[in-house]
Amino acid sequence: SQTIHQWPATLVQPVGSPLSLECTVEGTSNPNLYWYRQAAGRGLQLLFYSVGIGQISSEVPQNLSASRPQDRQFILSSKKLLLSDSGFYLCAWSVQAGRADTQYFGPGTRLTVL
Amino acid sequence: AQSVTQLDSHVSVSEGTPVLLRCNYSSSYSPSLFWYVQHPNKGLQLLLKYTSAATLVKGINGFEAEFKKSETSFHLTKPSAHMSDAAEYFCVVSVTSIGGGADGLTFGKGTHLIIQP
Repeated sequence: SQTIHQWPATLVQPVGSPLSLECTVEGTSNPNLYWYRQAAGRGLQLLFYSVGIGQISSEVPQNLSASRPQDRQFILSSKKLLLSDSGFYLCAWSVQAGRADTQYFGPGTRLTVL
Repeated sequence: AQSVTQLDSHVSVSEGTPVLLRCNYSSSYSPSLFWYVQHPNKGLQLLLKYTSAATLVKGINGFEAEFKKSETSFHLTKPSAHMSDAAEYFCVVSVTSIGGGADGLTFGKGTHLIIQP
């Protein structure tokens, strides 16, 4: 069966510090991968998605970036965090080219920027 | 373009009574529709999905939803609420683009379900 992992589970970082969040998927090959942010009291916002290694699409301009160095690894990064980057970050995967495109979510990372 | 509206930000019911969470969508094409549940500080868990098969979809934990094209609705119901159902619920629409690209899902803003003992 497929599983999706995210780490760390929680993170507290000062403004201006770098960020690296990691997501890995097991039990499937060549998945679509997604990064979402959920800010307090708001819905989910799609940040990035990837259809393959090295292929990243950005949905919103921001000081975050994403990379996919391996088929089942998706990394969310920032060189300098802003207060507004605080939130709950969710990674998700889906099978390729499925009409239903069901997405399966990881447990999330709670990021607090102080 | 697609959109989804969850009509209630909060719903409060007593344990053992029925649950109704309302969702309306708009889509230029035939959509796929989903309900996800999120418990505090957890990821989203898929409850059920509609993909143009049967209009009444049964999901996990006793939930079901009915796709009504004429009303552009996909309301989530459960006959009898349990304390463990207290969570945030998201209605989601997905439309595959003409190019078949990896579309993201469009999420509703969520409905917070409160269960009174």
